[in-house]
Parts: sequence; structure tokens; C-alpha cells
Amino acid sequence: EIVLTQSPATLSLSPGERATLSCRASQTVSSFLAWYQQKPGQAPRLLIYDASNRATGVPARFSGSGSGTDFTLTISSLEPEDFAVYYCQQRSNWPPTWTFGQGTKVEIK
Amino acid sequence: EVQLVESGGGLVQPGGSLRLSCAASGFTVSNSYMSWVRQAPGSGLEWVSVIYSGGNTHYADSVKGRFTISRDNSKNTVFLQMNSLRAEDTAVYYCAKATVAVSPFDYWGQGTLVTVSS
Repeated sequence: EIVLTQSPATLSLSPGERATLSCRASQTVSSFLAWYQQKPGQAPRLLIYDASNRATGVPARFSGSGSGTDFTLTISSLEPEDFAVYYCQQRSNWPPTWTFGQGTKVEIK
Repeated sequence: EVQLVESGGGLVQPGGSLRLSCAASGFTVSNSYMSWVRQAPGSGLEWVSVIYSGGNTHYADSVKGRFTISRDNSKNTVFLQMNSLRAEDTAVYYCAKATVAVSPFDYWGQGTLVTVSS
């Protein structure tokens, strides 16, 4: 079973600052690596898929990178609405299962 | 417009059963890959189950043998039958849509809360 470890658990930043979130897999994963944003009381929202592709409607300040076991979500300049919890996700081929990281909370400093 | 609306959550005693529904609109569930994902209070996301467009189903080890995913194509609805419920099944349950097996979950419902407690 592939385990995804996100770091840091909490990131305290000010609006306008750059946020760098890490997701490390316990073994090499396929290109299927997605990032989701979740705000309190809301469902998750897809941000990035296939490690580096922005989903429809996602602002350009969000970018994803990485391959193999190390992946990064970068928010180039934090807007007030970006303070939320972010999860990475991967899919195992067999048996077909999906795993999420434990999340990184981006909070206002 | 794609919409997913879950229902059926509530309070149930340990060992009891509950059936969740996910009514879809704006697309056809039988052409999609539909998953259930849950989130315990104050915790992260846990994938629970998937039903493929072809009808194949898969489950997380934590629910295998207790939960069953199914769909009614005529109602464009996906279900999650949950039996032998435990306290650790307490969570908000979301249904989520993927276009193909290897695509991400691009649409999510608003979730329905299941509380397992005596």
C-alpha cells in the first residue's frame, strides 16, 4: 500500500506570500497525482491532476510539479480565499484504490 | 451543470445499517466512475468504494464485506449500503465523480453525515 505523507502539517503565511506544499509517496507512483483544496464545511475541490495540470477554472497562481515519489503544490501569491486545507491523492493500479495524504493546512499568519 | 446530491445519513446504533444515496444530474452515472469518500470529524479524506462504468466494484479494506456500492441507471443514482456499522464509520460521506478510472475526482457532492453511536 502506498502511503502519502504531506508536509508541513500547517503552514502559517500572510496574503501575498508564496506557499510550497510537499507530498511524498512511500514508493514510486504513476503520473496520477492530484491536489484538492477543502474549506471548512465544504467538499473538496480539484485543483491539479496528473501532477501538473490545472483543473478547469483554477487560477494560474496554483501550480503542481514533481514525479516519482516527490510532488509539490505551489501557490505563487496567496489570496485570502486560498487559506484552506490541501490534500494530495494517488491511485494504485491493483487493486484499484485511491489514497489521500493527511493534508496541509494553510493558515493566516 | 453537473450536480451530486447525497442523502440518507443520520444517527444509527453500532451494528446497524444505513443506505446512502447520491443523485446525479448533468451527466450519466453509468458512463462514469463513481466513488464514495468519507471524512471523520476533524480528520482527512478516506476513499471508501468505487463503481466503474462497466459495473465492477472495489472497496477499501476497512469496509470490505460490510459496505456495498451499487447504482440505479434509471434514477441516475449511486448507493452505498452500509451494514455492521461501527463507531469508526462515523464521518461525512461524499460521492465523487471521475470520467475514467485513472482520472481524478472532478465533481463532489456536499456530503451527508453518518453518526454511529449508542
